[in-house]
Amino acid sequence: DQQVKQNSPSLSVQEGRISILNCDYTNSMFDYFLWYKKYPAEGPTFLISISSIKDKNEDGRFTVFLNKSAKHLSLHIVPSQPGDSAVYFCAASPYGGTGKLIFGQGTTLQVKP
Amino acid sequence: EPEVTQTPSHQVTQMGQEVILRCVPISNHLYFYWYRQILGQKVEFLVSFYNNEISEKSEIFDDQFSVERPDGSNFTLKIRSTKLEDSAMYFCASIPDRDGGTQYFGPGTRLLVL
Repeated sequence: DQQVKQNSPSLSVQEGRISILNCDYTNSMFDYFLWYKKYPAEGPTFLISISSIKDKNEDGRFTVFLNKSAKHLSLHIVPSQPGDSAVYFCAASPYGGTGKLIFGQGTTLQVKP
Repeated sequence: EPEVTQTPSHQVTQMGQEVILRCVPISNHLYFYWYRQILGQKVEFLVSFYNNEISEKSEIFDDQFSVERPDGSNFTLKIRSTKLEDSAMYFCASIPDRDGGTQYFGPGTRLLVL
């Protein structure tokens, strides 16, 4: 089941630069998308979400962009900080987010000081 | 800030034994979920629960699994006869209502089946 894909297993950026994490999906029924940050042996921590009626949502250093025609979303972190180093998961859901979440495989972000 | 809690944090059990994983969702939340993550793999949906019944379950959630909300606060996942492949991190999540789209996750229970 590859409905949500994060094709880059890892990403390394310099502190202060932009981090761009990408996610692709295949199911047109998805209408709510989320990004979670996760450390080993901890639960996913919610970062930011976007509804399919929007193409951009911003929260501080985090911005999520949604391109419905391409079935693609991205998370931008500006500026990146060493504390951002973690695994980032995108997730998608039908029914406005109350249904099950389908997760991508995750991208490990390393922000170097 | 309210958060989802889970107990125990770690559980080691012998194959064939029953385990119960416990979750205390955020109070006033109405929708509850269990997910699991096998080491090195994706986070996978197991089951959703609303109004004291299962809303949706995955293929993983077979007859060996059950969920219950025994009182107003706890939400439990029971595995009746554990298998080696049940070893994983199990996460509970909750959302407040039909209008809420963000699932908030607990810290997880690491289950190891020997």
